[in-house]
Order: sequence, then structure tokens, then C-alpha cells
Amino acid sequence: GAGVSQSPSNKVTEKGKDVELRCDPISGHTALYWYRQRLGQGLEFLIYFQGNSAPDKSGLPSDRFSAERTGESVSTLTIQRTQQEDSAVYLCASSGTSDAEQFFGPGTRLTVL
Amino acid sequence: AQSVSQHNHHVILSEAASLELGCNYSYGGTVNLFWYVQYPGQHLQLLLKYFSGDPLVKGIKGFEAEFIKSKFSFNLRKPSVQWSDTAEYFCAVINAWGGDYKLSFGAGTTVTVRA
Repeated sequence: GAGVSQSPSNKVTEKGKDVELRCDPISGHTALYWYRQRLGQGLEFLIYFQGNSAPDKSGLPSDRFSAERTGESVSTLTIQRTQQEDSAVYLCASSGTSDAEQFFGPGTRLTVL
Repeated sequence: AQSVSQHNHHVILSEAASLELGCNYSYGGTVNLFWYVQYPGQHLQLLLKYFSGDPLVKGIKGFEAEFIKSKFSFNLRKPSVQWSDTAEYFCAVINAWGGDYKLSFGAGTTVTVRA
């Protein structure tokens, strides 16, 4: 597609439920990133995928968070047993190489009640 | 780890005023530097970037930024703002040595331009 797309755009869930967020990167981009943006704060790195290499999961805040990527296409970020502190905008970005410009999607706004 | 500081949380100014947003980073090695902008209701998009060469870089919409290595700074400037520049501005840094790919972002500066 023309840009990075994410779905859903908004998600409201109850504490304790699992949620799955989806990211479609720009076609041909080998690098994919997930970030989290809490209200009033900058973006916080979560996880990075590059081609077929093992992902860098060092930014995931707890073992309730996991992410997968199928080849060089779609990625899903899963949050299990959601907590209120998980409420944030989750942004996905992709780039053609690891140090090039990152193109961001519109984000998924997650609200945990 | 890299940390990025943006000096102003919220800036309010009138049209035609000049704008300067401060950004400082902590890492002393070779870095790639970015300014991203998020207009209301839109995606984050790149304003400008510095990888190497002339430390004064020009971006879209009349913005420019100057990399001063000795000050670990990458301040964003625009000589005359417009109402349409109302947005949130993020400075971001990536360590340019091989293998690093994590963008470190500042907390952002909200710019409100009054008509």
C-alpha cells in the first residue's frame, strides 16, 4: 500500500482481556518497529523486526506483551491480560533499511477500562 | 541508552513570529537526527533529517535545523510560522554506529500558532 496502516484505529477493552493490534508496513520495507506513546510523553520503543533476523524485543515492558511478523509483511502486537497502564497509542513504523527514515502508521489508541 | 530532551512542552505564538524548538541528546558518538511532526488528526511525518555533511539542514514547509555536535543539539527553526504549523513536534535520535536502529524520541513540543 501507499503507507503504513494499522488496525483497529481505536480499541476499548476491559482490564484482564487480551488485545491484538495489527500493522501492515509499506510493501518492500524490511524493517518494522512498534512504539508506544503514553499521554504527554514521547514514543517508547517496544520491538523491532528486520527481515528474517531474530526480533529485538528489548523494549517490551512485560511478558504480557508479544509480537509476531510474517516474513516481511504484517505484524501483530498482542497484549495479554491488559492493565490500565497499557492505555496508550501504539504506533507501528517501517523503513527500507534499519537506519533510514521510519514511516509511521496512524496508530491504535488503546483504552483499558 | 540515548536520551533526548526537548526544552519546551508547549509553545504559543502568533502568525509570522519566529519559532525555535530546542533538542539535546545524550550520546556523544555519531548520530542520525530527525524532527518529526504530527499535525492534528494525522500521522507522524518526517520534517527533516541529518545524517552527515552540512550541519544546517532544510526540511519541508520552510523548516530548518542546525546540528551542533559540541552542544549535542539539533534545534528546529522556522523564521515565520503560519497557523497551519500548529502541531506536535518530536526530536528523535538514532546512534549511527552499525546495528543500532532504535529511535529515541523526545517528549514532544506542542506548538500552537494563533491567527
